[in-house]
Amino acid sequence: GENVEQHPSTLSVQEGDSAVIKCTYSDSASNYFPWYKQELGKRPQLIIDIRSNVGEKKDQRIAVTLNKTAKHFSLHITETQPEDSAVYFCAARVSGGYNKLIFGAGTRLAVHP
Amino acid sequence: NAGVTQTPKFQVLKTGQSMTLQCAQDMNHEYMSWYRQDPGMGLRLIHYSVGAGITDQGEVPNGYNVSRSTTEDFPLRLLSAAPSQTSVYFCASSPGTSISNEQFFGPGTRLTVL
Repeated sequence: GENVEQHPSTLSVQEGDSAVIKCTYSDSASNYFPWYKQELGKRPQLIIDIRSNVGEKKDQRIAVTLNKTAKHFSLHITETQPEDSAVYFCAARVSGGYNKLIFGAGTRLAVHP
Repeated sequence: NAGVTQTPKFQVLKTGQSMTLQCAQDMNHEYMSWYRQDPGMGLRLIHYSVGAGITDQGEVPNGYNVSRSTTEDFPLRLLSAAPSQTSVYFCASSPGTSISNEQFFGPGTRLTVL
């Protein structure tokens, strides 16, 4: 079945450094790739998404890149801040599945002051 | 708008008991889904619905039933609880795909099965 792999599972950076999280997906027909942030004890919230007809998208300090040929996409956070500490999930929408998402296992990001 | 609401927030069951997790949304969203979240495994889709009267299975449907009699409500039923169903359950909703793909999550229900 469809699968999304996410790496690394944990990531520790110093405040001000950049952080990169990578995901690969199996369904070549997937066309929508969101990233969710989940703070401790809270619900997941969408932070950025990208569609398959776009290679890169930016929103202030965060950006997502997509390589459809290689079937992978990445989240880039620049100038990290302690409030960026959270678990980040990537997802891919299954083709033909309406808004059916398959999620990666998550990356726990810790930003140290 | 209250958004997506879930009840209860916490629940403890004994093996073999049944219960229903409630989910409601007031955004008139077509699409609703249930996920379970376990450590190191991300969010796994249990069941989803693309509109009132229409439901389908996700990745891990066994042991769970759903129904969608109205646009607003999407309850998840555990038929005979097992310790393997100990998890955090999230309900989510989104508009039809032609409008937006964003899924809005509820606050979650933490379920423990003893």
